[in-house]
Amino acid sequence: GDSVTQMEGPVTLSEEAFLTINCTYTATGYPSLFWYVQYPGEGLQLLLKATKADDKGSNKGFEATYRKETTSFHLEKGSVQVSDSAVYFCALTHPAGGYNKLIFGAGTRLAVHP
Amino acid sequence: GAGVSQSPSNKVTEKGKDVELRCDPISGHTALYWYRQSLGQGLEFLIYFQGNSAPDKSGLPSDRFSAERTGGSVSTLTIQRTQQEDSAVYLCASSSGTVGGNTIYFGEGSWLTVV
Repeated sequence: GDSVTQMEGPVTLSEEAFLTINCTYTATGYPSLFWYVQYPGEGLQLLLKATKADDKGSNKGFEATYRKETTSFHLEKGSVQVSDSAVYFCALTHPAGGYNKLIFGAGTRLAVHP
Repeated sequence: GAGVSQSPSNKVTEKGKDVELRCDPISGHTALYWYRQSLGQGLEFLIYFQGNSAPDKSGLPSDRFSAERTGGSVSTLTIQRTQQEDSAVYLCASSSGTVGGNTIYFGEGSWLTVV
């Protein structure tokens, strides 16, 4: 079945460092891909999304490119801030499921230190 | 309200008791979802409601779990005869349509601890 695998955390970085959180997926066809973020004490929020191959989603300085050839959707940010500390979830929806289920990875905790 | 509202925010219950978790979606959202987040695990899909259609219950882990959505708005997730493995955060979400085309908004969750 469809699944999402993302790198284990926690990821600990210093402020202004470069961030990559790897995400790969298994699905037939052409799923839509998402990154969600969960800040401490808050609900999950959509960070960015991409709906077709080679699309790049971007928001708040974060980017991810839908790579069908490598079935990946890695999250990147050029210069992280302490306020980026959160748990990041990669997710997909798949046409076969009628687009009505998000399938999530296990989440990656990011801690950014001053 | 402005966002998805869930109650209670925290619940501690004894093994074997029944619990009810409530979700109040964003006004006008036709789609409502329940997910479960266990410690160290990703989010697990439980159930999906879309308008007046029959719900997708394919993610419910056992027949002890059930959910209803009254009047197309508020939803209640019921867990009967709770077990310790039911301890998790139960997240509710809503959207104005199918996920692929519309943003899905999550509540802050109901933390359930079964002792």
